[in-house]
Amino acid sequence: SAVISQKPSRDICQRGTSLTIQCQVDSQVTMMFWYRQQPGQSLTLIATANQGSEATYESGFVIDKFPISRPNLTFSTLTVSNMSPEDSSIYLCSVERTESYGYTFGSGTRLTVV
Amino acid sequence: GEDVEQSLFLSVREGDSSVINCTYTDSSSTYLYWYKQEPGAGLQLLTYIFSNMDMKQDQRLTVLLNKKDKHLSLRIADTQTGDSAIYFCAESKGYSSASKIIFGSGTRLSIRP
Repeated sequence: SAVISQKPSRDICQRGTSLTIQCQVDSQVTMMFWYRQQPGQSLTLIATANQGSEATYESGFVIDKFPISRPNLTFSTLTVSNMSPEDSSIYLCSVERTESYGYTFGSGTRLTVV
Repeated sequence: GEDVEQSLFLSVREGDSSVINCTYTDSSSTYLYWYKQEPGAGLQLLTYIFSNMDMKQDQRLTVLLNKKDKHLSLRIADTQTGDSAIYFCAESKGYSSASKIIFGSGTRLSIRP
């Protein structure tokens, strides 16, 4: 199945700043998904990133706060903008498995905003 | 609406069987998944089951699905310390990218000696 490299694995950021998270996949995929996992919570889908078009955001998430780039079929970035402590979460990217059902996830970025 | 529920914690003795339960509300769910998240790691797909199946076994893992009650369980036989993790139940209506996957809150499995 696809292998996803996600970085950074963790970061501590000052409030008001922005952090860009990168996901690199070792094969071409049509869609990439970005999730947020708040402390002690389940995963919530932020947006779906399709190469060559604007990302589709879920209810409660907006492009100004979470801009996404998808420049090619193997790479995507998620930026968490103007961060506040409430943005402290694990952010994960995901792609569909090509050889079976289900999804493959990156190892996640643990973000702490102070 | 779509909802997936799990108990938050489970503690079992090493060598015993662990049973993690999950209920879901969407009767049109087609695919049901179990994911494992170890500390500091992403999610690893453990197994999945189609809604037209009752049971699926894969080595130490047994998945049981009661579609009438919308109840899914994951049984881990001979639980080991390496099984300590958070287990997420998830469901989707299809396997294509158009089908959103809904996750439960996760069950933290701890193993006692």
